[in-house]
Order: sequence, then C-alpha cells, then structure tokens
Amino acid sequence: DGGITQSPKYLFRKEGQNVTLSCEQNLNHDAMYWYRQDPGQGLRLIYYSQIVNDFQKGDIAEGYSVSREKKESFPLTVTSAQKNPTAFYLCASSPQIGTMNTEAFFGQGTRLTVV
Amino acid sequence: GENVEQHPSTLSVQEGDSAVIKCTYSDSASNYFPWYKQELGKRPQLIIDIRSNVGEKKDQRIAVTLNKTAKHFSLHITETQPEDSAVYFCAALDTGRRALTFGSGTRLQVQP
Repeated sequence: DGGITQSPKYLFRKEGQNVTLSCEQNLNHDAMYWYRQDPGQGLRLIYYSQIVNDFQKGDIAEGYSVSREKKESFPLTVTSAQKNPTAFYLCASSPQIGTMNTEAFFGQGTRLTVV
Repeated sequence: GENVEQHPSTLSVQEGDSAVIKCTYSDSASNYFPWYKQELGKRPQLIIDIRSNVGEKKDQRIAVTLNKTAKHFSLHITETQPEDSAVYFCAALDTGRRALTFGSGTRLQVQP
C-alpha cells in the first residue's frame, strides 16, 4: 500500500518538552514538506526538503527542526522554543526534484496539543 | 516569496446551485495552481490543478480558470451537492522556494 504516513495521529505535549512527529513515504518522492494548520486558517510552510541531506526553512521555522537522512523520511521536531505549538501538522511529498510542479500528496496529519 | 489571497472565506449555496471561489497570487513566474478539498479532520486532497500554459480546465462538475495577466485563478463547482461541503484551498507554486503557498481557505456549505 503506497502512500505517505504520519504518526502519531494525536500527540500531547507538556510545557517545555520536545516532541517529534514522524513522516514516512514509500512513493519514491524526492521532495518533502511540513505545513502547519491552525483552525480556520490555511497551511503555512514550516520546512521543506528537495533532496536527501538538504532542507530549507519555510515561513514559520522558528521553534522547529527537521532532518532528511533518508529519502523516505522527514521527521519534524517541535522544540520548547515553539511558544504556541498546538495545531494540526501536515506532511506532504512530491515526485519531481527541483520543482513542485506535480501533485503533492499529504499525510493524514498529526494533531498536537499542549497540556 | 509568493502570496496567495483567497475569497470568500465562507460560502453557502443551495443544492444544485453553482459555487465560485477566487484566488490571486503575487509571483508572476508561478506556473502551477492546484486546488485542494479538505473534510473535517482529514488530509487535503487534490481535486483539480492547472498549469500556466492553459486558461481553463474541466473535470465533470469542477472547472478552474486562470488569468495570468491579472494573476488570478478561480474554482467553479456546478450542480453542487451536499457532499461538496468542505473547506477548499487554492495554492500557487512559489518558484523561488519550489514549494506550494496556500490561500486561507473557503468553507463551502451546500444546503440540501
């Protein structure tokens, strides 16, 4: 079953903790992306990676970190520096290196809540 | 970078009527414009996309038009059905980042 998988579906974080959201794809896509979605708002780009071992900051990278050690994996760490982390996090991938000029596939999302 | 504006934020129509959602973008080099549908708590799913070499594309009840001169594009849904109720997002390719920039979304409600 091919696709892009995010885990966990729900995640609760205590104040001051770092948490890592998983994103795995078996579509052999070169590019991967992390977006944040707040209620009633659009998707904002956190980080993106066009190729293994390389990634770039998006619009709201502060308080987040990523790695791209393998083509199929692009985990996102929400650090304690992120002051308002409660949101719905979406990972996406796209096949064409260098552009996103083809369909982007989304994972099912992780809903992170600070308790 | 790219900036995408989307209107309206909410839209309510009667079943069978048409719905139109409009977006503008800022990056004149952008050449790819997808539309996504998101149901509550689920992932966005692509419903239609258009590239800059065409002005219109249709897929059954859904159509998208693109005006590159004015830098705007629109989604048209005809003969709306209750199952069309969802949040719709437009997006445009940020050619500098090579990533999609999304509009703020339109909540469409189709009244039976």
